[in-house]
Amino acid sequence: EDKVVQSPLSLVVHEGDTVTLNCSYEVTNFRSLLWYKQEKKAPTFLFMLTSSGIEKKSGRLSSILDKKELSSILNITATQTGDSAIYLCAVEPPAFTWGWAGGTSYGKLTFGQGTILTVHP
Amino acid sequence: GAGVSQSPSNKVTEKGKDVELRCDPISGHTALYWYRQRLGQGLEFLIYFQGNSAPDKSGLPSDRFSAERTGESVSTLTIQRTQQEDSAVYLCASSLNWQAPGKLFFGSGTQLSVL
Repeated sequence: EDKVVQSPLSLVVHEGDTVTLNCSYEVTNFRSLLWYKQEKKAPTFLFMLTSSGIEKKSGRLSSILDKKELSSILNITATQTGDSAIYLCAVEPPAFTWGWAGGTSYGKLTFGQGTILTVHP
Repeated sequence: GAGVSQSPSNKVTEKGKDVELRCDPISGHTALYWYRQRLGQGLEFLIYFQGNSAPDKSGLPSDRFSAERTGESVSTLTIQRTQQEDSAVYLCASSLNWQAPGKLFFGSGTQLSVL
């Protein structure tokens, strides 16, 4: 069974600090690894990583995948109180079969338990 | 619509009652997904629709859970004879189609509390 583990489970920092969130997975094969930010209830998409070693960046956030180590990290520099949220990591399966019904869904994600980030002023 | 809409946002029910949760996906998105999130845990896949068909129901926890989708739009998740362990946030998501990359668009969820 696919498994995704995130660490730490929670993290408390002050504004301006840099944080690194970890995601490791035990998955035999996957199409992509995704990061989501969950504020209140609705997760919102941050990054999709498919290739090892290629960093994705968006402002103060960046992420990289290491397929050798079966892990990914999410970095947030110069944290702000608005970064306080749950950060979720998920893996997306490959499609195994193709047919009229669509085969394996790309959207059947396996999520980690999340990292709760709290940024104090 | 502009985003995925779910209703109700909160539902409190008594053990043994049936509940219906509704999801309106983004217009034009043919793939629709239901996930469940228990307190302090990650999201757990329940079921997926492509159009009105559900090729993958593997995540439904028991036969008390069912879902349908009509008009390639609205979906309803029904939980019969609710139990306390059903208490969770039920999240709906949509994507353009089942082949689209795993960038799902989530609704704000329904917080279900079973007393």
